Amino acid sequence: SQQGEEDPQALSIQEGENATMNCSYKTSINNLQWYRQNSGRGLVHLILIRSNEREKHSGRLRVTLDTSKKSSSLLITASRAADTASYFCGLGTSYGKLTFGQGTILTVHP
Amino acid sequence: NAGVTQTPKFQVLKTGQSMTLQCAQDMNHEYMSWYRQDPGMGLRLIHYSVGAGITDQGEVPNGYNVSRSTTEDFPLRLLSAAPSQTSVYFCASSSTPQGMISGANVLTFGAGSRLTVL
Repeated sequence: SQQGEEDPQALSIQEGENATMNCSYKTSINNLQWYRQNSGRGLVHLILIRSNEREKHSGRLRVTLDTSKKSSSLLITASRAADTASYFCGLGTSYGKLTFGQGTILTVHP
Repeated sequence: NAGVTQTPKFQVLKTGQSMTLQCAQDMNHEYMSWYRQDPGMGLRLIHYSVGAGITDQGEVPNGYNVSRSTTEDFPLRLLSAAPSQTSVYFCASSSTPQGMISGANVLTFGAGSRLTVL
């Protein structure tokens, strides 16, 4: 089965800067979701984009999906120190199964 | 509202021992799943269930058994623990709108269970 591949593996920025993370995959998907994980905690859902959508916004988050390139990006604008976490893309297929990649570790310096 | 509850939070086993990781949700979610998280490997799906009495294998099912006798509970059993099963285990559930085919699963995760096998 497929997993998403997040890029970069680690990202370090200053507060106020934008953070962009990418996710690539190999086979067809029903939807793509982004999750956040704070150290030692479970994942928390951020945003979902369906395969027939190209862009979605939620607060400071912007997600794009290019099914022709089989890739997605997550943009966090005006980053805060509290955004420091690991971010994972989840690939949704029929029958509800969701698979994840290795994640991107984001560090936002105050 | 407790959400997804996993027990125990920490466990140390010796090779060959058996144990069960418990997962319970109080949201009447149809879909439940187990993942393991290892450094550099991300989260990998072990088993999942689309409803009571129905289970299926994920990406890494070997060495693990599951059953789903009730909507609320989805225990993960290790019959003979091995050091390779040292990991952090997460249970996750979701309500699947309008069936599985067109629905998009938004998962609610538990806090995790850290297992060490010596």
